[in-house]
Amino acid sequence: EVQLVESGGGLVQPGGSLRLSCAASGFTVSSNYMSWVRQAPGKGLEWVSVIYSGGSTYYADSVKGRFTISRDNSKNTLYLQMNSLRAEDTAVYYCARGMELERRGVTNAFDIWGQGTMVTVSS
Amino acid sequence: QSALTQPASVSGSPGQSITISCTGTSSDVGGYNYVSWYQQHPGKAPKLMIYEVSNRPSGVSNRFSGSKSGNTASLTISGLQAEDEADYYCSSYTSSSSWVFGGGTKLTVL
Repeated sequence: EVQLVESGGGLVQPGGSLRLSCAASGFTVSSNYMSWVRQAPGKGLEWVSVIYSGGSTYYADSVKGRFTISRDNSKNTLYLQMNSLRAEDTAVYYCARGMELERRGVTNAFDIWGQGTMVTVSS
Repeated sequence: QSALTQPASVSGSPGQSITISCTGTSSDVGGYNYVSWYQQHPGKAPKLMIYEVSNRPSGVSNRFSGSKSGNTASLTISGLQAEDEADYYCSSYTSSSSWVFGGGTKLTVL
């Protein structure tokens, strides 16, 4: 079964750090483009970051310079290292797989989502 | 990158059709055929309903359809059912090599 399972969320003080993990099964993380998307309590979805199969990475302006996306191919796991956390980073963080079709290639949509992990930044 | 503009709420009776709009700019919705739509039930992860403006992933009901004109995309749900009640988000790839989502629309089935 194709599945994503996030972990690593929790309560952290402002200025602190946290590393989120997203374990994949049923497909290979390194062969797909993978993103993190977050959702603040009661709010909408916000794209955070992407890592492509070739290793290129991009970030939303709101997290650039503070967050780092990476992957461990041997563990088939995606990560999000979050530093200098702020109250406004409080959200459920989802990892999501970028959808690719055999004959069409990249669709720039996200077809598989994890269940999310909650990050609370508060003193 | 500013969020795409969606109506906060829409409603319809079972069996009716509704349309949710999603307005962006020429740097996102208008510039690419990479608009997607997601359904999210309370406490659940988003589910992809439409990709590349008008394509349905395998397993998604053909009651869901998408379209685009200029900088505005639309999601239409026909034959409304109680299980369609959820939040809906549009998303677009952007010229900044990023993605932008809409603010979300709460669909109420009366």
